Amino acid sequence: NAGVMQNPRHLVRRRGQEARLRCSPMKGHSHVYWYRQLPEEGLKFMVYLQKENIIDESGMPKERFSAEFPKEGPSILRIQQVVRGDSAAYFCASSGTQNTEAFFGQGTRLTVV
Amino acid sequence: KNEVEQSPQNLTAQEGEFITINCSYSVGISALHWLQQHPGGGIVSLFMLSSGKKKHGRLIATINIQEKHSSLHITASHPRDSAVYICAVRSGGGADGLTFGKGTHLIIQP
Repeated sequence: NAGVMQNPRHLVRRRGQEARLRCSPMKGHSHVYWYRQLPEEGLKFMVYLQKENIIDESGMPKERFSAEFPKEGPSILRIQQVVRGDSAAYFCASSGTQNTEAFFGQGTRLTVV
Repeated sequence: KNEVEQSPQNLTAQEGEFITINCSYSVGISALHWLQQHPGGGIVSLFMLSSGKKKHGRLIATINIQEKHSSLHITASHPRDSAVYICAVRSGGGADGLTFGKGTHLIIQP
């Protein structure tokens, strides 16, 4: 039973490009959370999704960021027109139900140059 | 909004010492998590607690709901325990993501 899989592990983008981060939850998990860890800062909640639904996006920046979790396939965190301040580690976690233990992926480290 | 405070921020100890990391939060929760992160690495979930105490190997986690406080203990510490330990809480409603402490940087010297 594979754990939470995130890809790519490292992503370099030039300013203005788009970044797509993928997260495949653990088998049987339908709850996905995205978190961001800025350099020298703690983790911050971004968005909580269930299959085909965004449950809570209160932590998402209002512009350029979007997330989806389609019926088939991984969850995608999309950042349009990236800026240097988007450079961070983005972690995905999944759980089987809302209040059970969440398992984290290895993260995607985004560098904007 | 829940505020999560961890102490100490940094801790250096000698191999074999008993380690305690503390976490306090401000608002009622449905669960508290202890996580471990190695430099440049992923995040590993160590414990999820809603009451009492849990033990796994040399790690022990306790929570006092009335005091809004949790502790993570490491017995017989080893250099491989060197990592950042993060406390995170899910608020009582349970409908949102975790709120994290800033983490405790632990270094165990041989």
